[in-house]
Amino acid sequence: SQQGEEDPQALSIQEGENATMNCSYKTSINNLQWYRQNSGRGLVHLILIRSNEREKHSGRLRVTLDTSKKSSSLLITASRAADTASYFCATDENRDDKIIFGKGTRLHILP
Amino acid sequence: IAGITQAPTSQILAAGRRMTLRCTQDMRHNAMYWYRQDLGLGLRLIHYSNTAGTTGKGEVPDGYSVSRANTDDFPLTLASAVPSQTSVYFCASSAVTGETQYFGPGTRLTVL
Repeated sequence: SQQGEEDPQALSIQEGENATMNCSYKTSINNLQWYRQNSGRGLVHLILIRSNEREKHSGRLRVTLDTSKKSSSLLITASRAADTASYFCATDENRDDKIIFGKGTRLHILP
Repeated sequence: IAGITQAPTSQILAAGRRMTLRCTQDMRHNAMYWYRQDLGLGLRLIHYSNTAGTTGKGEVPDGYSVSRANTDDFPLTLASAVPSQTSVYFCASSAVTGETQYFGPGTRLTVL
């Protein structure tokens, strides 16, 4: 079963605009993570937010977590061409040992 | 070695053949994972290991086996490859189960 579901599946925005991606999940979690994947490469970790946290920042990235709605959002501000990539959320399903990934959002930054 | 490595980078394999994908990390991480990535399906967990000597099944374990004889290595074996196992395989590790994962560069496997 798919734990995390990202929305939208694909997103194209102009360089300099903000990009927002959402993730919904189904079970209780200890933490939620966001990863980036450039084409043909392995995933790179961006941010981990714990279930008792509501918001976290890292540079141009802002992640929010709403455990009552079982959802998270990733905001990238002042987007750049280098932000073009796929973005995945991942959760520990049922606070289990397994980390389950969503299908990802493909972000394309237009020049 | 720096980080996590996988071998081979790519492989074309005849159906029915046995294949082992190698994964090695030098970060002394306790947990290791194997994922497959298919277009439109994202990453799906095949097997994982919380610590040396233990393994567990993920979302799609059938047709695959793993072993964790030591901390550094986590090989994935396809006993008898089938075309549906054509995919990109990623190995990852984390210091502790459930925490930040570090990914290898992937192995592109084609089963004909």
